[in-house]
Amino acid sequence: DTGVSQNPRHKITKRGQNVTFRCDPISEHNRLYWYRQTLGQGPEFLTYFQNEAQLEKSRLLSDRFSAERPKGSFSTLEIQRTEQGDSAMYLCASSLEYGTGELFFGEGSRLTVL
Amino acid sequence: AQTVTQSQPEMSVQEAETVTLSCTYDTSESDYYLFWYKQPPSRQMILVIRQEAYKQQNATENRFSVNFQKAAKSFSLKISDSQLGDAAMYFCAYRRTTDSWGKLQFGAGTQVVVTP
Repeated sequence: DTGVSQNPRHKITKRGQNVTFRCDPISEHNRLYWYRQTLGQGPEFLTYFQNEAQLEKSRLLSDRFSAERPKGSFSTLEIQRTEQGDSAMYLCASSLEYGTGELFFGEGSRLTVL
Repeated sequence: AQTVTQSQPEMSVQEAETVTLSCTYDTSESDYYLFWYKQPPSRQMILVIRQEAYKQQNATENRFSVNFQKAAKSFSLKISDSQLGDAAMYFCAYRRTTDSWGKLQFGAGTQVVVTP
């Protein structure tokens, strides 16, 4: 399977714990995006990378959130001191820098904070 | 403020029939992109169709077509000859030309239910 892969698919944690999600994009895609999707809503943009550089961060990405893409390949999204409001589906997507701009999404990582 | 509005939480259609999903958006830009994405249950979101605002011709992809009304800021999706596999959540999305390719603003979605 050469699509976008996200792990873990589901994570249940207690409030105050740290969690980390991983995204492996399509190998030739140099752009990688993180979105958050809460129940009944559409995805909301969080941040994106071009290669290893984080080029934009949404105001939704509080100080407790950090994303990295150290070698321009896979990316991690860490949430520190989780809160119940962090419960959501975290979606990763990748794309080429040029072309149609079509986003290819992963299946998402669902976070439940108890 | 919500940029993209999908006013239909759910739409039901019988197999082989046609359904139209509504989407309106708010922008002061003259050039932008509009998209419809499909999110099947527990599966990844995929692009259905896209429209560049500078193009007057409505986009079509097989059974999927759009009605783009720029002055009215309306972008509806028509699914013709509906199939069971069309059952999914459909999201309308907007992107400013000046934004990154992948920085989209999504609506809240419309659930499409297809009945045999």
